[in-house]
Amino acid sequence: GAGVSQSPSNKVTEKGKDVELRCDPISGHTALYWYRQSLGQGLEFLIYFQGNSAPDKSGLPSDRFSAERTGGSVSTLTIQRTQQEDSAVYLCASSSSTSGRVPSFGPGTRLTVL
Amino acid sequence: AQRVTQPEKLLSVFKGAPVELKCNYSYSGSPELFWYVQYSRQRLQLLLRHISRESIKGFTADLNKGETSFHLKKPFAQEEDSAMYYCALHSGNTPLVFGKGTRLSVIA
Repeated sequence: GAGVSQSPSNKVTEKGKDVELRCDPISGHTALYWYRQSLGQGLEFLIYFQGNSAPDKSGLPSDRFSAERTGGSVSTLTIQRTQQEDSAVYLCASSSSTSGRVPSFGPGTRLTVL
Repeated sequence: AQRVTQPEKLLSVFKGAPVELKCNYSYSGSPELFWYVQYSRQRLQLLLRHISRESIKGFTADLNKGETSFHLKKPFAQEEDSAMYYCALHSGNTPLVFGKGTRLSVIA
């Protein structure tokens, strides 16, 4: 079946602009995660949605970062007033109890802030 | 707090040599441990998980609660094993916590 998809695959923006990154999880997966992957830093957890529960936002690095999940499916990660240090690959993953709660990852969005 | 440590950023081995990618974790409860792999230009994918106790692509990993380790091993490295490897910890309803990764380079 279809895996996790993300768009765009690449995004180049200017410092100070806002960006939106989209994630389409695997159908039926109740949990959705955003991670940031940067050189030397590994995978940093950003935010986690589980069903109808309040999201775990403990990994968001600043209030410029926010995420929504509409209808328990698609999620959008928004970064306002982007900074050069925001440049990274943003990964989305989803999981469900039937998948053993093992997250399946999308291909990522490579964000470059000039 | 949960923490995963992968002490080696880069590991280079010759083809046919044994491989061990180290992973240590910090967690007071009973965690679930995973290894994920990312090949060049591919998405991150699950390699194995400790509760499965299986061998995938010749790799095995044993959870050692006394040493709080989950090292990944393979007796004979192949060139196609060259990739980025991440150790991860999961507990309850918390999201996966990843180490910083180890890049394995297998030299022909």
